[in-house]
Amino acid sequence: GQNIDQPTEMTATEGAIVQINCTYQTSGFNGLFWYQQHAGEAPTFLSYNVLDGLEEKGRFSSFLSRSKGYSYLLLKELQMKDSASYLCAVASGGSYIPTFGRGTSLIVHP
Amino acid sequence: DTAVSQTPKYLVTQMGNDKSIKCEQNLGHDTMYWYKQDSKKFLKIMFSYNNKELIINETVPNRFSPKSPDKAHLNLHINSLELGDSAVYFCASSQELEVRKETQYFGPGTRLLVL
Repeated sequence: GQNIDQPTEMTATEGAIVQINCTYQTSGFNGLFWYQQHAGEAPTFLSYNVLDGLEEKGRFSSFLSRSKGYSYLLLKELQMKDSASYLCAVASGGSYIPTFGRGTSLIVHP
Repeated sequence: DTAVSQTPKYLVTQMGNDKSIKCEQNLGHDTMYWYKQDSKKFLKIMFSYNNKELIINETVPNRFSPKSPDKAHLNLHINSLELGDSAVYFCASSQELEVRKETQYFGPGTRLLVL
């Protein structure tokens, strides 16, 4: 199985940059996902990393280091609407179905 | 058009009852899933299902059973509901069982409260 760890809560200021870290312990790594979930809504896909390095998509970037079992989600030019939970999920072993961490609740304030 | 839909959105019921939650996807995907999200927001896979294979998370009680009348539907039937079943249940779908880079699309969730 997987052991996925991410901070429970973070706060940041509108317009700033925030980095949300995720560490995992697993065998047979098949990829790492980041999802965004607003309160009372369904998770929505943000990114997928299977190779080391940085993937950039607009204001959001995701980084992966497989040797360190580490990923981060970088959010730039924060907006109030970015206040949400950010879920790190890892697929491993014989499965490509992601297992989710507990999520990081991000609060963006003016 | 809604890609993945679930009914009902809210479900309040008594302990011991049997209930079903319905899920439909109009994406033409081959694989569907059920997740449970508890009060601490921990999202856990319950089942994944395509027309060839049902994969059950071994921690799921056998009171929970998925039923798929066709490829576009995966309903969740729960027998003898317990207080601990209170949670948000999300349906999801993907093109293949191997999610890889192919994202999963989640439904809006069903908020189940067992009294």
